[in-house]
Amino acid sequence: AQRVTQPEKLLSVFKGAPVELKCNYSYSGSPELFWYVQYSRQRLQLLLRHISRESIKGFTADLNKGETSFHLKKPFAQEEDSAMYYCALSSGGSYIPTFGRGTSLIVHP
Amino acid sequence: EAGVAQSPRYKIIEKRQSVAFWCNPISGHATLYWYQQILGQGPKLLIQFQNNGVVDDSQLPKDRFSAERLKGVDSTLKIQPAKLEDSAVYLCASSPTLAGGLDTQYFGPGTRLTVL
Repeated sequence: AQRVTQPEKLLSVFKGAPVELKCNYSYSGSPELFWYVQYSRQRLQLLLRHISRESIKGFTADLNKGETSFHLKKPFAQEEDSAMYYCALSSGGSYIPTFGRGTSLIVHP
Repeated sequence: EAGVAQSPRYKIIEKRQSVAFWCNPISGHATLYWYQQILGQGPKLLIQFQNNGVVDDSQLPKDRFSAERLKGVDSTLKIQPAKLEDSAVYLCASSPTLAGGLDTQYFGPGTRLTVL
């Protein structure tokens, strides 16, 4: 069975501080991993995916298969980064995704 | 382009009552999904349609939940009868691809259901 764990319900930082939102997964095959973001009163939207190895809004995430982790990082947090962040795993074939419970990021001025 | 539309946005009912939610996907999107998001949890896929056929409904509690997409466009999700544990946000998503992976999905605003 596939599982996604986001250990922190809430992460509170000051503007300009580094941010790391943790995500660990459990899956026996080769997973596809994603980060989703939901800003206040907005829809759930894709932030980034591991296969593209891209940086979106200053955020990056590296898949570490040895540690089964896909942590989301940003070197300098901005107030507009305050949102709910979900890590998600999708396995090939059925595409039934598994979401973590989410981490609420609050960036203080 | 217009996004995924859902209605109603909020619904409050008493347990054992019935309720229905409606979703209109982005025009031309072949695949439609319904998710349940309980407070404090991530979204959980309930059912996936490809045009008007069901691709996967393995996580749909079929004793009380039903969903249809008769004309391959909009869709309804019904709960009959509702239980307290059905209180959640019900998200609809659509994808332009037939084998739409998670990253191809566009989410709607959700319907927040409260069962008293």
